[in-house]
Amino acid sequence: ILNVEQSPQSLHVQEGDSTNFTCSFPSSNFYALHWYRWETAKSPEALFVMTLNGDEKKKGRISATLNTKEGYSYLYIKGSQPEDSATYLCASPYSGGGADGLTFGKGTHLIIQP
Amino acid sequence: NAGVTQTPKFRILKIGQSMTLQCTQDMNHNYMYWYRQDPGMGLKLIYYSVGAGITDKGEVPNGYNVSRSTTEDFPLRLELAAPSQTSVYFCAISTGVGYNEQFFGPGTRLTVL
Repeated sequence: ILNVEQSPQSLHVQEGDSTNFTCSFPSSNFYALHWYRWETAKSPEALFVMTLNGDEKKKGRISATLNTKEGYSYLYIKGSQPEDSATYLCASPYSGGGADGLTFGKGTHLIIQP
Repeated sequence: NAGVTQTPKFRILKIGQSMTLQCTQDMNHNYMYWYRQDPGMGLKLIYYSVGAGITDKGEVPNGYNVSRSTTEDFPLRLELAAPSQTSVYFCAISTGVGYNEQFFGPGTRLTVL
C-alpha cells in the first residue's frame, strides 16, 4: 500500500491571494500522480494527471508541478476566488500499471474567504 | 451521456440488514472501482474490476461483495450491515492505466444504525 500524504489538511485564504499545497508520495516505482478537485456535495473531478519528472500542467488559474526524484507535487492557485473552495486530493496508482485503482491522500480542504 | 450513475443517493440501514449499491456507466470503460470515504480519511478502494466477469479485492474489502456480469454495471453488496460501514460510497471508472483519469459517480451516502 502506497503512502500518499498531503499538507496542510486545511487552509483559509483571502480572496485574491495565491496559495499552494503539497502532495508527497514514494519516489520509488513512480508511475503517475493524479490531482482531483472535490466540491462539497459533488464528486471528485480530475484536474491533472502527471507522469514526467519536472512536468508542469496548467488549467486556468490552477497549476501543478511534479518532482518524481524527491517524491512531491505542488498545486498552485493564483488569485483565489470563492469558487476555488473545495477539497483537493492527490492520488497515485496502487501498482505500476494502475488497473487496480488509486491510493489517495486525505486531501487539503481549501476555504476562500471573501 | 450520463457518465457514471449511482443509486440510491441516500440510505439508512439497520444493523444486520443487506443492500446493494448500484453503479452503471455508459462510457464503455472496462475498469470500474468502488471507493469509500470516511470523515478525515482519504478515499479507500474496496473492490475493482478490469472487465466483465473479473473482479478483485482492494484495500478494504471485508463486509462487501461485488459482481460484474456486464461492462455497464458493477453493483456492490453489503450482506450484514455494520455501523463501521457508515460512509459515502463512490463508484469510479477509467480506461484502466494509471496515467488516465478516473471518472466518479455522484456517490451514495449510507448510514447504518
